[in-house]
Amino acid sequence: GQSLEQPSEVTAVEGAIVQINCTYQTSGFYGLSWYQQHDGGAPTFLSYNALDGLEETGRFSSFLSRSDSYGYLLLQELQMKDSASYFCAVLNTNAGKSTFGDGTTLTVKP
Amino acid sequence: DTEVTQTPKHLVMGMTNKKSLKCEQHMGHRAMYWYKQKAKKPPELMFVYSYEKLSINESVPSRFSPECPNSSLLNLHLHALQPEDSALYLCASSQAGLATDTQYFGPGTRLTVL
Repeated sequence: GQSLEQPSEVTAVEGAIVQINCTYQTSGFYGLSWYQQHDGGAPTFLSYNALDGLEETGRFSSFLSRSDSYGYLLLQELQMKDSASYFCAVLNTNAGKSTFGDGTTLTVKP
Repeated sequence: DTEVTQTPKHLVMGMTNKKSLKCEQHMGHRAMYWYKQKAKKPPELMFVYSYEKLSINESVPSRFSPECPNSSLLNLHLHALQPEDSALYLCASSQAGLATDTQYFGPGTRLTVL
């Protein structure tokens, strides 16, 4: 089967940097996705890593190490609006498997 | 345009009712998905349609019946649901249903079964 592990909660202050880790166990791995979900909202795509290394998109970056089955999402210059749940996901839907981690609740404080 | 729309936003139904959830996208995507999400939990995949054909059914009870009338529309027909089926039902779409595709989610339908 597939499983993804990520911390359940992270708290940080405005302007800080926070890293959310994700370790995975899966067969047929193609890449790691990250989604943001605000309370009452839908998951919004943030980033996807298929290859090892860092992908940067504005204040958000995502990293993948396939050999370590590990990735992380890095959020810089935190803002209050970044308070949300963040999910890592392995979306091998053409193999019949699509799994999200349990999510990390990020709380940004003033 | 990366918008997936879903109707209704909220739905309350009894255990004997029949209702349908609707999803629409106009991005030219050929894969569409239904997910179920309980509070404080991650989305769970229910069904995948690829090129209007059901390609994945994750052992979902038959009281949930998906339908894909065309490449832009996806329905989820509900009948004889149980209170534990109350959840947020999310529709998503992606370009071709490949593992490397990005999935774009709709806002969801919040379903309450009484």
